[in-house]
Amino acid sequence: AQSVTQPDIHITVSEGASLELRCNYSYGATPYLFWYVQSPGQGLQLLLKYFSGDTLVQGIKGFEAEFKRSQSSFNLRKPSVHWSDAAEYFCAVVFTGGGNKLTFGTGTQLKVEL
Amino acid sequence: DGGITQSPKYLFRKEGQNVTLSCEQNLNHDAMYWYRQDPGQGLRLIYYSQIVNDFQKGDIAEGYSVSREKKESFPLTVTSAQKNPTAFYLCASSPDQGDGETQYFGPGTRLLVL
Repeated sequence: AQSVTQPDIHITVSEGASLELRCNYSYGATPYLFWYVQSPGQGLQLLLKYFSGDTLVQGIKGFEAEFKRSQSSFNLRKPSVHWSDAAEYFCAVVFTGGGNKLTFGTGTQLKVEL
Repeated sequence: DGGITQSPKYLFRKEGQNVTLSCEQNLNHDAMYWYRQDPGQGLRLIYYSQIVNDFQKGDIAEGYSVSREKKESFPLTVTSAQKNPTAFYLCASSPDQGDGETQYFGPGTRLLVL
C-alpha cells in the first residue's frame, strides 16, 4: 500500500544545533515529495519540493532535503536551528496518476531549547 | 495580495446541525482541496475539485458535501451525518490538477461541537 511515514513524533534540539527530520514512503516508483511547516493554529507553508533531477533540494528558511531512492527517503535538514523554527513539520507525497492528491505523514513536532 | 481565505476562524456546531465552511482564493487556480487535520493523524483529504462544477471524493468524504459553482470558491458543508466533526479544516488550491503541482494552504477553520 502507498504510505508516508514520519517515525519521530517529537524532536527536541538546542538552538544552534543541527536538525534532521526523517520521512520514508512506500511506493513502487518515485513520487513527488514535499515538506510543509505548520505553526500552531495556522495553515501549512511549503518549505521545499522534489520532482526530479538533483537529489539535494534547497528550500526556504535555510532548510534542505535529500532524496535517496535506495532508501525511499526524503529527510529534511537544517545546519543550525533557530528558536523560530519550533513548529510541526509534515512530509507529503503525490503518487503519480492519482490526481495531485497529497498523502501526508503524521508530522513531527519540533521543540527548540534556548 | 493573492491568497486563500477561510472563514470563520472558529465555528461551533450543535447536534443535528449542518454547518458550512468558506474557502475563497484569488490566485486564479483551477484546483481546490479540503483536508481535515486531527492530532497525531496528519492531514486527510475530504474532497477535491479540478474544475468548476466538478468535484471528487477523497479518502474521508462521508458526512461532508461540497460545491464548486465558481472558480474562486469551494465551500465545505459538514452535515449532521458526520458524527465526529471536531477537527481543524484546511483548504488548499493549486494552479491545475497536474501531478506534483504545489498546493497552497489557507489559515484553517477550527470546528468545535457544543
